[in-house]
Amino acid sequence: GDSVTQMEGPVTLSEEAFLTINCTYTATGYPSLFWYVQYPGEGLQLLLKATKADDKGSNKGFEATYRKETTSFHLEKGSVQVSDSAVYFCALKGGSNYKLTFGKGTLLTVNP
Amino acid sequence: GAGVSQSPSNKVTEKGKDVELRCDPISGHTALYWYRQSLGQGLEFLIYFQGNSAPDKSGLPSDRFSAERTGGSVSTLTIQRTQQEDSAVYLCASSRDAGNTIYFGEGSWLTVV
Repeated sequence: GDSVTQMEGPVTLSEEAFLTINCTYTATGYPSLFWYVQYPGEGLQLLLKATKADDKGSNKGFEATYRKETTSFHLEKGSVQVSDSAVYFCALKGGSNYKLTFGKGTLLTVNP
Repeated sequence: GAGVSQSPSNKVTEKGKDVELRCDPISGHTALYWYRQSLGQGLEFLIYFQGNSAPDKSGLPSDRFSAERTGGSVSTLTIQRTQQEDSAVYLCASSRDAGNTIYFGEGSWLTVV
């Protein structure tokens, strides 16, 4: 079945540091890939997505590139801010599947 | 409304009682999902509704859990005879149809004491 593995947290960074959160997946067919973010006390929000190989999703300074050869969708940001502190979830939706399968989430804390 | 709306936002209930959680999806969205988020378990799929098709109930953890969707819009998740392990955040989500982006509500925090 489909599965998503993302790096375990927590991740603690200083403001303006570079962020990478690794995500790899296993899926049949050609899945769409997503990063969702959950800010403290709030619901899940879609951060970015990519629907086919080599697509790059981007939003709010975050980027992730769909790499079919390495089955990865790593999240990156060049300079994090305190306001980026949240839990980040990598997810996939299989080509013939309507369900989102999530990774376990990575807690990011950015200190001033 | 503009987003997926869930109620109640917080619920504390005694073990053994029944609870109902409500979800109002984004207008026009035909697909509706329930997920559960608990410590150590991440996000678990519970149930999926698409239009008038039979729902996919494959994620419901036991027969104490049930859900319905009336008129293709509002959905209710019911947990009977609640147990402490049911304590979690129950997230509802909707999408325009099965192939489109899924949008989540803020969740209903359930605590069983």
